[in-house]
Amino acid sequence: AQSVTQLDSQVPVFEEAPVELRCNYSSSVSVYLFWYVQYPNQGLQLLLKYLSGSTLVESINGFEAEFNKSQTSFHLRKPSVHISDTAEYFCAVRNSGGSNYKLTFGKGTLLTVNP
Amino acid sequence: DGGITQSPKYLFRKEGQNVTLSCEQNLNHDAMYWYRQDPGQGLRLIYYSQIVNDFQKGDIAEGYSVSREKKESFPLTVTSAQKNPTAFYLCASSSTSTGIGELFFGEGSRLTVL
Repeated sequence: AQSVTQLDSQVPVFEEAPVELRCNYSSSVSVYLFWYVQYPNQGLQLLLKYLSGSTLVESINGFEAEFNKSQTSFHLRKPSVHISDTAEYFCAVRNSGGSNYKLTFGKGTLLTVNP
Repeated sequence: DGGITQSPKYLFRKEGQNVTLSCEQNLNHDAMYWYRQDPGQGLRLIYYSQIVNDFQKGDIAEGYSVSREKKESFPLTVTSAQKNPTAFYLCASSSTSTGIGELFFGEGSRLTVL
């Protein structure tokens, strides 16, 4: 069975500061990894994903995440945050093989960007 | 535009009543999912379906039922047997042809049981 641990339930930061949202996963097989973002009272939107190849993946709005197989981590970073980045962020994992397409989600990290 | 439509967005019901939440997608995805979201709990899988006329229980299926009679539709019924039904419900879909399983979500339905 897989599991995802998001180490911080809340992360408050000031605008233009850097931020890191931590995600660790547990799996006995190769995985795909995802970060989703949720704004209040909305559904989740895909932010970025790691499938294979380069361990550093980037989103169009300045976020990046690095897959670290030895540490089973997929931390999300942004060098300078904006007020509009305030949202809840979810890390998710699934097996890269087989026909089971279920994603397992972490409990989420609420990022609050203050002026 | 392609996407997933959930309705209603807000729903109030009395205890003991069954309610059905609608989920429709026009993305031509084979797989559909229902998740429940509670504050601080993340997303928990209720039911999923990878093909028409077939579905499987997720981690918290008790008190819920689903059907998958059409590829586009995956309604969720919250029955009176569900002990704590007040929550935010999210429907999602994914393509099985790419092998990635990336989920696309609807906007959610917030159910409040009075």
